[in-house]
Amino acid sequence: EAQVTQNPRYLITVTGKKLTVTCSQNMNHEYMSWYRQDPGLGLRQIYYSMNVEVTDKGDVPEGYKVSRKEKRNFPLILESPSPNQTSLYFCASSQTGGLGTQYFGPGTRLLVL
Amino acid sequence: TQLLEQSPQFLSIQEGENLTVYCNSSSVFSSLQWYRQEPGEGPVLLVTVVTGGEVKKLKRLTFQFGDARKDSSLHITAAQPGDTGLYLCAGLSGTYKYIFGTGTRLKVLA
Repeated sequence: EAQVTQNPRYLITVTGKKLTVTCSQNMNHEYMSWYRQDPGLGLRQIYYSMNVEVTDKGDVPEGYKVSRKEKRNFPLILESPSPNQTSLYFCASSQTGGLGTQYFGPGTRLLVL
Repeated sequence: TQLLEQSPQFLSIQEGENLTVYCNSSSVFSSLQWYRQEPGEGPVLLVTVVTGGEVKKLKRLTFQFGDARKDSSLHITAAQPGDTGLYLCAGLSGTYKYIFGTGTRLKVLA
């Protein structure tokens, strides 16, 4: 089944403790992206990757890192999480980005205490 | 910073009624997409509009892209409970960057 998977689905952590949210797609898509969703703000793009080894900042990249070492995986790294990074995170992929259909993962709900 | 504002934020209507959701910006977008999101899931793409003035129909849903490519609307005819969800517009800024709207939460009562 074609899908985007994220792990973990739920995470509670404390301020400053490094964490990684994994994202994997099995559709051989070139483009992958991370978003955060907060009430009243819609989805905001954190980082995106046009293809392997090429990434760029979205609208809210501060406090996040990403890497794209292989086509299928695009992990989101929070080196020192803070409470304002408490949010619902979505990973998405598409064949080309741009006009292509983005397929979203199921989301990761993160609470930083 | 580019922004996309959606209105209304919340909408509760009876089954069979018509409704329109608006997505507005002061910025020009090369294309615009509409998504629907259900609780506990990621957004699902409904449509992409590319040309200013373009109108697309998807069964009871009609999508329009403004002539100046700064705004869009989603019209639902004869809403059904299955239309309940969060509707999001998203503008493509440049080639790869997406700007999402603030969302419209629709509830259709049986």
